[in-house]
Amino acid sequence: GIQVEQSPPDLILQEGANSTLRCNFSDSVNNLQWFHQNPWGQLINLFYIPSGTKQNGRLSATTVATERYSLLYISSSQTTDSGVYFCAVGYLSGGSYIPTFGRGTSLIVHP
Amino acid sequence: KAGVTQTPRYLIKTRGQQVTLSCSPISGHRSVSWYQQTPGQGLQFLFEYFSETQRNKGNFPGRFSGRQFSNSRSEMNVSTLELGDSALYLCASSLFTPTGTGESYEQYFGPGTRLTVT
Repeated sequence: GIQVEQSPPDLILQEGANSTLRCNFSDSVNNLQWFHQNPWGQLINLFYIPSGTKQNGRLSATTVATERYSLLYISSSQTTDSGVYFCAVGYLSGGSYIPTFGRGTSLIVHP
Repeated sequence: KAGVTQTPRYLIKTRGQQVTLSCSPISGHRSVSWYQQTPGQGLQFLFEYFSETQRNKGNFPGRFSGRQFSNSRSEMNVSTLELGDSALYLCASSLFTPTGTGESYEQYFGPGTRLTVT
């Protein structure tokens, strides 16, 4: 199956700092999402981004599928950004789809 | 539009018992997937139901089963509970959307059911 590696595993920032989270995957994919899991366990959909670049406020993401990686940028971080960030990847074909999640990047933002 | 709902939110069971978890997807979504999240194994795919049929299945023993009803609501059942089944069980609702190059499959997660087996 597809191997997914996320880096760094842990990140500690001061409020206002910028950061880049990376997701590498071992095989071709045509489906990729980034999620934020808050301290209560809720997974929140950040981006659906199998390719290209998207921006949503202070967050943006870029996926280069041909080079098998995706990046999540967080600018001007806030304490509410704390939590674990996951990427999930897979290959969707004719309704067959089993996504693989990375182990996540745990982010702590200090005031 | 209401989000994905899961019930119950918390559950404590004893080894050997069975448990049923419920998930109601976003209105109009016909695909429901189930995941198990543990500190040791991370997020692992259990199975996916689409139009009342199990379409994809992860690598879990037969003690884990599920079903989907005609209104797309789904239930997951775990029989003969083991201590290692203690986990956060997450349900995701998805909509397949045709794109110019195929399909997209965007998942929206519920709040989860935290199961503790003692």
